[in-house]
Amino acid sequence: GEDVEQSLFLSVREGDSSVINCTYTDSSSTYLYWYKQEPGAGLQLLTYIFSNMDMKQDQRLTVLLNKKDKHLSLRIADTQTGDSAIYFCAEYSISGGYNKLIFGAGTRLAVHP
Amino acid sequence: EAQVTQNPRYLITVTGKKLTVTCSQNMNHEYMSWYRQDPGLGLRQIYYSMNVEVTDKGDVPEGYKVSRKEKRNFPLILESPSPNQTSLYFCASSLKPPDRLAGVLNTQYFGPGTRLTVL
Repeated sequence: GEDVEQSLFLSVREGDSSVINCTYTDSSSTYLYWYKQEPGAGLQLLTYIFSNMDMKQDQRLTVLLNKKDKHLSLRIADTQTGDSAIYFCAEYSISGGYNKLIFGAGTRLAVHP
Repeated sequence: EAQVTQNPRYLITVTGKKLTVTCSQNMNHEYMSWYRQDPGLGLRQIYYSMNVEVTDKGDVPEGYKVSRKEKRNFPLILESPSPNQTSLYFCASSLKPPDRLAGVLNTQYFGPGTRLTVL
């Protein structure tokens, strides 16, 4: 079935780069998404990548897509304490007979001094 | 400001006492959805609505009801809450329904969440 998998925790030092990884199963998805959830807040669309792209860069964020391995990653350069949050990878897929957005379990990023 | 709002943000209640969590969007979105978030499980869809008066079950609909009488509102109703419904709930909306071949028209925007505790 359709599934999106992420590691649950990542701890980095302030100023280092963070890399959050995700694997997905539906190779026909056109778009893949990264959402950010800050403490006590809802999910905020952080960035997305179109499936015919290998890489997308947006300021400190770099999204890499390896379609062959169905692997998506989010790199945050110069990680700051304000980047501490849960990051969700998501793709649209057909599951249970209808189209829906399928989320990974979320990766909790902790940034320490 | 374009947004999805939910009320209340926090709620503590007791088993069996009916409650409603409201959700409203001001973006004229067709599609609305409710999710619950539990540790280690990510977000699971409870119910969704393709448009006014069109609702359907998601992955975990048991114990919940919804209605979509107006385009902007999509309340979540717990007729008889139980402790296993203690969770963080999110409402979301998008201009168009989910479609894996579509573009950003179906990007979902989320409300701030409602943390529900059922004792």
